[in-house]
Amino acid sequence: TQTVSQSDAHVTVFEGDSVELRCNYSYGGSIYLSWYIQHHGRGLQFLLKYYSGNPVVQGVNGFEAEFSKSDSSFHLRKASVHWSDSAVYFCAVRGTGGYKVVFGSGTRLLVSP
Amino acid sequence: EAAVTQSPRSKVAVTGGKVTLSCHQTNNHDYMYWYRQDTGHGLRLIHYSYVADSTEKGDIPDGYKASRPSQENFSLILELASLSQTAVYFCASSDPGQRGDTQYFGPGTRLLVL
Repeated sequence: TQTVSQSDAHVTVFEGDSVELRCNYSYGGSIYLSWYIQHHGRGLQFLLKYYSGNPVVQGVNGFEAEFSKSDSSFHLRKASVHWSDSAVYFCAVRGTGGYKVVFGSGTRLLVSP
Repeated sequence: EAAVTQSPRSKVAVTGGKVTLSCHQTNNHDYMYWYRQDTGHGLRLIHYSYVADSTEKGDIPDGYKASRPSQENFSLILELASLSQTAVYFCASSDPGQRGDTQYFGPGTRLLVL
């Protein structure tokens, strides 16, 4: 059974701060890992994904995520956040042999000016 | 650009009534999905489809039916709407053959059952 855990329901930072949003997963095989962003009242939008190779992947708008097999983690980071980064961020995992994507419960990021 | 549209964007329904939510994609994707999102929670898969005229049950299919009349269109049907089905519903499409399987989401339909 695939599970995705996002331990922080809410994160608040100031504009210009760095931020890390945590994601841990449980799955027994090869997987795809992704992050999505959801602005208020909108659908989810893809940020970045990892399948293999360099464990640090770059996404849009300065986001990056790092895969760690030993920690079963795929944390999302940004060096300097902007107020427009305020949104809910979802981590997602899919087995390479399957179709179903399992989403975490989301982390609401609030960037204060 | 890939696009998924949903209609209606919001709906108020009465308990016991029938509700149909529609989804249309122009991505030429074979896979389409229906999710529900409850306040403060992630997404849960209701039904999905990988080919026209065929649908499959997801994790929470009870109380919902789905219909895929064409590659582009995927509907979610609540035959007898209940209070517990108040939620935001998202449709998505994807191409699992594409490495990483990015999902493209519609804007959502906010359903309130009274």
